[in-house]
Amino acid sequence: GAGVSQSPRYKVAKRGQDVALRCDPISGHVSLFWYQQALGQGPEFLTYFQNEAQLDKSGLPSDRFFAERPEGSVSTLKIQRTQQEDSAVYLCASSLDRVFSPLHFGNGTRLTVT
Amino acid sequence: QQQVKQSPQSLIVQKGGISIINCAYENTAFDYFPWYQQFPGKGPALLIAIRPDVSEKKEGRFTISFNKSAKQFSLHIMDSQPGDSATYFCAASNTDKLIFGTGTRLQVFP
Repeated sequence: GAGVSQSPRYKVAKRGQDVALRCDPISGHVSLFWYQQALGQGPEFLTYFQNEAQLDKSGLPSDRFFAERPEGSVSTLKIQRTQQEDSAVYLCASSLDRVFSPLHFGNGTRLTVT
Repeated sequence: QQQVKQSPQSLIVQKGGISIINCAYENTAFDYFPWYQQFPGKGPALLIAIRPDVSEKKEGRFTISFNKSAKQFSLHIMDSQPGDSATYFCAASNTDKLIFGTGTRLQVFP
């Protein structure tokens, strides 16, 4: 595809349910990032992959959050036992290389936990 | 800890006017300063970026001014158009992750 694709576009989960959010980066992009964007706020870093290696997961809010990119392409962000405070837009971004390469964002998955 | 402070929170500009958004940072190790534009329901898109070795960068109607000693940088949108109405985020980094400001909602009226 031409851009970063995220699915689902919207997800409603009951508190306590597990969710999985998918990201298809731009083909050939080495780096992949996950960000969380609360309503009216800027995106906040969650985690970063270079190919299949997760190099930085310092932004993951708790051990309920888990991300993987097993083959260095598609990535999945999993949230276990969702809580209301997890409600946000989850953005995926990819870039051709590491430092200073432009980040290309997907349109995000809006997660609502009820 | 908020490392990038952005102002104003919202901005209303007449068509043809100049929009100015300001950001200040704390970490002197930051060496990459991009601006992103976000429309409702869309992901942020890179608008323009600057490195601290220059004080100004211009691309079309968009200009970044950078003041290293003051640890501040700003986005100027010349001849603002209704199509520029969006939320703008400044960001900074010195590693792989970008630290974003809280955003400025710009509305340009005809």
